[in-house]
Amino acid sequence: AQSVAQPEDQVNVAEGNPLTVKCTYSVSGNPYLFWYVQYPNRGLQFLLKYITGDNLVKGSYGFEAEFNKSQTSFHLKKPSALVSDSALYFCASGGGSASKIIFGSGTRLSIRP
Amino acid sequence: NAGVMQNPRHLVRRRGQEARLRCSPMKGHSHVYWYRQLPEEGLKFMVYLQKENIIDESGMPKERFSAEFPKEGPSILRIQQVVRGDSAAYFCASSPKGTGATDTQYFGPGTRLTVL
Repeated sequence: AQSVAQPEDQVNVAEGNPLTVKCTYSVSGNPYLFWYVQYPNRGLQFLLKYITGDNLVKGSYGFEAEFNKSQTSFHLKKPSALVSDSALYFCASGGGSASKIIFGSGTRLSIRP
Repeated sequence: NAGVMQNPRHLVRRRGQEARLRCSPMKGHSHVYWYRQLPEEGLKFMVYLQKENIIDESGMPKERFSAEFPKEGPSILRIQQVVRGDSAAYFCASSPKGTGATDTQYFGPGTRLTVL
């Protein structure tokens, strides 16, 4: 069955430090994986997408995500966090035998100055 | 290229009234999706439509909720006889012609419904 899990409700990081937001997925077949960001009182903004090819996907605002097939993970990363990165982040999966994209429960990222 | 448009941005209704939420997809997009988000919660899929067709309505409540995407004009999410539990942010997304399981979805700013 298709599923997406974001195991952390909240991630706290100091500005300038690297950040990781975790995501694991379950899709029969080849997955399509997405990351979105939501700022307060706004819609979701597309960050990046994995289809096939390189396991490291680069996206907007300096974010990247690493696809790991053996661990069925697609963690979002950034080498140096900014206070302005504080927002709600959603992982999503589709592809394979899925009929639609489904979203994880979201992880709130808080970057302290 | 204008993004996904939703209106109204804020809607206040009294219990028992009807709420109509509109969504205009990005130019050239023929797939529309509706989601509901409660405060401090994730997105819940409601319905996936193409022009004049409902593709997947597995997330729609069985009663009071309906959606359409006519040949001309915006997609409409309609909630009849609203109750306080319908208070939420409703987001629309659109994607280009393709499959609903692989296309990147682009989101509108949302409509925040408050039921008094």
